[in-house]
Amino acid sequence: SQKIEQNSEALNIQEGKTATLTCNYTNYSPAYLQWYRQDPGRGPVFLLLIRENEKEKRKERLKVTFDTTLKQSLFHITASQPADSATYLCALPDNYGQNFVFGPGTRLSVLP
Amino acid sequence: DTAVSQTPKYLVTQMGNDKSIKCEQNLGHDTMYWYKQDSKKFLKIMFSYNNKELIINETVPNRFSPKSPDKAHLNLHINSLELGDSAVYFCASSQDSTKETQYFGPGTRLLVL
Repeated sequence: SQKIEQNSEALNIQEGKTATLTCNYTNYSPAYLQWYRQDPGRGPVFLLLIRENEKEKRKERLKVTFDTTLKQSLFHITASQPADSATYLCALPDNYGQNFVFGPGTRLSVLP
Repeated sequence: DTAVSQTPKYLVTQMGNDKSIKCEQNLGHDTMYWYKQDSKKFLKIMFSYNNKELIINETVPNRFSPKSPDKAHLNLHINSLELGDSAVYFCASSQDSTKETQYFGPGTRLLVL
C-alpha cells in the first residue's frame, strides 16, 4: 500500500522567507497529488492539485512541483506571513483510485 | 452558508454506549466520506459512499456503520464505544465524477471515558 512521508513534523521560518515542504511517496505514482491546509480545530481545506503530467502549479504565493521520478512533491509558500502558520497535508489517491491517502502533515510556524 | 456541516461538534460519552454523528453537505456532491484523525493527527479514511456504493476501509471495526438517508447526508453510527475510538471524526464530500477535491466538515471531537 502507498506510504506518504512529509519532510518534518514541524517547520519554523521567519516571516518573508520562502517555506518549502516536502511530500514523498513510496509506491506507485498517482495520477495527481493534492495539498491541503489544516488549522487547529478545523477540517482540512483544499489548496492545490497537480497532475502527473504537470511539472509545476501556481496559485498566488503558492507553488507546487511534482517529480514522478523522485516520487516527490514540493510545496512552496513565498513571502510567508504569520497567517500561513498551519499544518499542511499532502494527499493522493490510493492504488484503486477510490479513496485518498493523507500524509502525516507538516506543522508550519511563520515567526514575525 | 456552511458547505459541509457536522453535529455535534463535541461528544463526550461513556465506554459501551452507542452514538451517532450527523453530516450534511449542500454542495450537490454525490460522494461523501468519513475520516478519523487520531491524537497523532493522522487522517485516515474510514468510508466512502457514492450512489449507494459503500467502500469500507478494511481496518475499520464493524462497530462503525455509515448510514445515508439521502445523497446530502451521511451519518456515522458507532456501537459499543471503546476508549480507542476517541478522536476527531471528519466528514467530507466530493463531486462524483472525479473525486479530486474534497470538502471537509469542521469535525466532531469524540471523547470516550
